Amino acid sequence: AQSVTQLGSHVSVSEGALVLLRCNYSSSVPPYLFWYVQYPNQGLQLLLKYTTGATLVKGINGFEAEFKKSETSFHLTKPSAHMSDAAEYFCAVSSMDTGRRALTFGSGTRLQVQP
Amino acid sequence: NAGVTQTPKFQVLKTGQSMTLQCAQDMNHNSMYWYRQDPGMGLRLIYYSASEGTTDKGEVPNGYNVSRLNKREFSLRLESAAPSQTSVYFCASRKTGGNSGNQPQHFGDGTRLSIL
Repeated sequence: AQSVTQLGSHVSVSEGALVLLRCNYSSSVPPYLFWYVQYPNQGLQLLLKYTTGATLVKGINGFEAEFKKSETSFHLTKPSAHMSDAAEYFCAVSSMDTGRRALTFGSGTRLQVQP
Repeated sequence: NAGVTQTPKFQVLKTGQSMTLQCAQDMNHNSMYWYRQDPGMGLRLIYYSASEGTTDKGEVPNGYNVSRLNKREFSLRLESAAPSQTSVYFCASRKTGGNSGNQPQHFGDGTRLSIL
């Protein structure tokens, strides 16, 4: 079974500081990985997705994620935090069932940006 | 495009009442999903539908039924609501076919359901 672990349920950074949100996955085969963002009272919006063969994936709003197979990690970063980045972030892995492709989510990391 | 539309956005029920959560997508996607979101637990799959007329249980199906009415619509029904079903419910859809393994799921804005 696949699983996703997000270290840190809450992360607080200052505006302009580096954002680092951690995600580790377990999968017996190369996975499909995603990061989603959820703003208050809204649904989940795709930030970025892993593409086989890439190590650095660029997403929307200046976010990017680095895929490290040896560490089974897919950490999300942004060089300079903005107040509008305050939200909850979810890392997810897609199931290997070629039909279903259901997502297994981490428990989420709430990002707070201090002025 | 509206994407994935869920109704209602909010609902309060009493224990034992029934209700149906509606979901429709306008992206011509084959696969549709229902998830529930609880604090500190991410989202968990309730039911999945690969196409019209087909459904399959997910991780937490107990207490729920679903219906894939047509390609656009996928409804979730609570026959006898229980307080443990208080949650935020999300519907999602996904493009399939070809090399679609990394196609993302597209989510609606959710239904916030409270059961007293």
